Amino acid sequence: EAQVTQNPRYLITVTGKKLTVTCSQNMNHEYMSWYRQDPGLGLRQIYYSMNVEVTDKGDVPEGYKVSRKEKRNFPLILESPSPNQTSLYFCASSLKGLAGETQYFGPGTRLLVL
Amino acid sequence: GENVEQHPSTLSVQEGDSAVIKCTYSDSASNYFPWYKQELGKRPQLIIDIRSNVGEKKDQRIAVTLNKTAKHFSLHITETQPEDSAVYFCAARNYNAGNMLTFGGGTRLMVKP
Repeated sequence: EAQVTQNPRYLITVTGKKLTVTCSQNMNHEYMSWYRQDPGLGLRQIYYSMNVEVTDKGDVPEGYKVSRKEKRNFPLILESPSPNQTSLYFCASSLKGLAGETQYFGPGTRLLVL
Repeated sequence: GENVEQHPSTLSVQEGDSAVIKCTYSDSASNYFPWYKQELGKRPQLIIDIRSNVGEKKDQRIAVTLNKTAKHFSLHITETQPEDSAVYFCAARNYNAGNMLTFGGGTRLMVKP
């Protein structure tokens, strides 16, 4: 089954404790992306990747890192989480990131930083 | 960068009525405009999209219109049903200037039976 998976689905952590949210897709997609969703602000793009070893900043990259060492995986790293990073995070992928392509979203990761 | 504004933030309609959600964008070079539906607790899903060389696109009960001059686009849902209740997001993308997708703030649509 074609899908985007994220882990963990829920995470409670404390300020400053490094964490990684994994994202994996099995559709051989070149384009992958991370968003955060906050009430009233919609989805805001954090980082995106056009292909392996190619990443670029989105709207709100501060406090986040990403890597794209393999085509299928695009982990999101919070080196020193802060409470303002409490949010719902979505990973997404599409074939090449071109107009008209369906962007597939993962199930979401709800993060609480205390 | 691009800025997308979406209105209204909440919309309540009676089953069978039409619903219209409007978005404006700031970057005249944006050339792709998708709409996503997000049901409670679920992930966003693409429902319809339009490119800048097209003025209108329709898919059964949903349609999207684009006015490039005024830099706004709208989602139209006709004959609404309770299962249309969800949060709807518009977005804009400029493929000629990076590949970032900018979303509007969302509209919570409630369809009353």
